[in-house]
Amino acid sequence: EAEVAQSPRYKITEKSQAVAFWCDPISGHATLYWYRQILGQGPELLVQFQDESVVDDSQLPKDRFSAERLKGVDSTLKIQPAELGDSAMYLCASSLGALGTEAFFGQGTRLTVV
Amino acid sequence: AQTVTQSQPEMSVQEAETVTLSCTYDTSESDYYLFWYKQPPSRQMILVIRQEAYKQQNATENRFSVNFQKAAKSFSLKISDSQLGDAAMYFCASGGTSYGKLTFGQGTILTVHP
Repeated sequence: EAEVAQSPRYKITEKSQAVAFWCDPISGHATLYWYRQILGQGPELLVQFQDESVVDDSQLPKDRFSAERLKGVDSTLKIQPAELGDSAMYLCASSLGALGTEAFFGQGTRLTVV
Repeated sequence: AQTVTQSQPEMSVQEAETVTLSCTYDTSESDYYLFWYKQPPSRQMILVIRQEAYKQQNATENRFSVNFQKAAKSFSLKISDSQLGDAAMYFCASGGTSYGKLTFGQGTILTVHP
């Protein structure tokens, strides 16, 4: 069964360092999402791609976060420099993008900034 | 804009009993879907059930059903014959026309007692 792949599963980094997360969506899914989930809360959308184009990055802290999906397939989310408040689970999801379609989630990357 | 509110941080149920999780939402979209997602411990989030706002009939999926009250902007999830494997964090979410973007509630932790 096709799954959304994310790596690494866990990442510990020192504040002010750079960190990057990778996501490989389900084949054929044009829409890719990065969500941030603080412990005990619901996921919040950081950035959304349709193919290689960003369609929503209104909640992305652009001074330190960047995201790309160069060939419209896999995607990388980067934080530079990391801050203590960035500690969270970073979830990647993909879907066919039409209204009402199911979003498929990866297992996430648990980031701890020390 | 969309907001989703889950007012029950935690719920518990005895195995084989029925439990209802509450959710209220607000949206400016004329066409939208509502979802319940399940996030088991250390596993990826999966779709439990979805409801199109235009459909008056409540959605059902095996032991899972919803009570959709559009005028009241309420969307509750009923789990019948609860099983130990139902223990998880449950998220209510709304999705409008923006390429399937989801807005999540804060989540409800469901504990199932044997």
